[in-house]
Amino acid sequence: DIQMTQSPSSLSASVGDRVTITCRASQSISSYLNWFQQKPGKAPKLLIYAESSLQRGVPSRFSGSGSGTDFTLTISSLQPEDFATYYCQQSYSTPWTFGQGTKVEIK
Amino acid sequence: EVQVVESGGGLVQPGRSLRLSCTTSGFSFGNFAMSWFRQAPGKGLEWVGFIRSEAYGGTREYAASVKGRFNISRDDSKSIAYLQMKSLRTEDTAVYYCTRDFTGGATAPSGYWGQGTLVTVSS
Repeated sequence: DIQMTQSPSSLSASVGDRVTITCRASQSISSYLNWFQQKPGKAPKLLIYAESSLQRGVPSRFSGSGSGTDFTLTISSLQPEDFATYYCQQSYSTPWTFGQGTKVEIK
Repeated sequence: EVQVVESGGGLVQPGRSLRLSCTTSGFSFGNFAMSWFRQAPGKGLEWVGFIRSEAYGGTREYAASVKGRFNISRDDSKSIAYLQMKSLRTEDTAVYYCTRDFTGGATAPSGYWGQGTLVTVSS
């Protein structure tokens, strides 16, 4: 199985900050990397698919980059509605696997 | 408008069975793979399995933790996907989500997720 490791596990940031979350795969997954945002009690929301493609309706302050084994989700200017938990997920091979999540909290 | 709605969750005793339904509308159901995910209370997300479209053979793949106990099926005439769960264990307690894939071949979960249905396995 491909292991996905996110860092950090949590972070505190202020509105307007630039936030970066990293995700490392245990082997190359090409660009089969997706990012989700989840708020308490809600279904995950797809933000980025195929490493860097912005899902329709997602604000442009979200961006994804990387390839192979190392990937990054960047929020260019954190907004109040962005406080949530973020997950990376690989769909390169089954079993599809997720990172453990990064909780973004208000500083 | 694309809609995905899970149903069928509830409280069930260990060892028993339960079938979840994923009712969809707003797209050509038969053209897309459908996936199931779950999230145990306070835990992260876990992929359960998927079923490809008939154009891709309708094949299924499962996580090791559910293989042999869970079965995913689809009724293209009704635009519904199912998750049949047997021999349930306490560790299967979770919110179960159904999603539509980007393609028929199961390449990645799309932005279309249901709201989830809670399955609680307890005596």
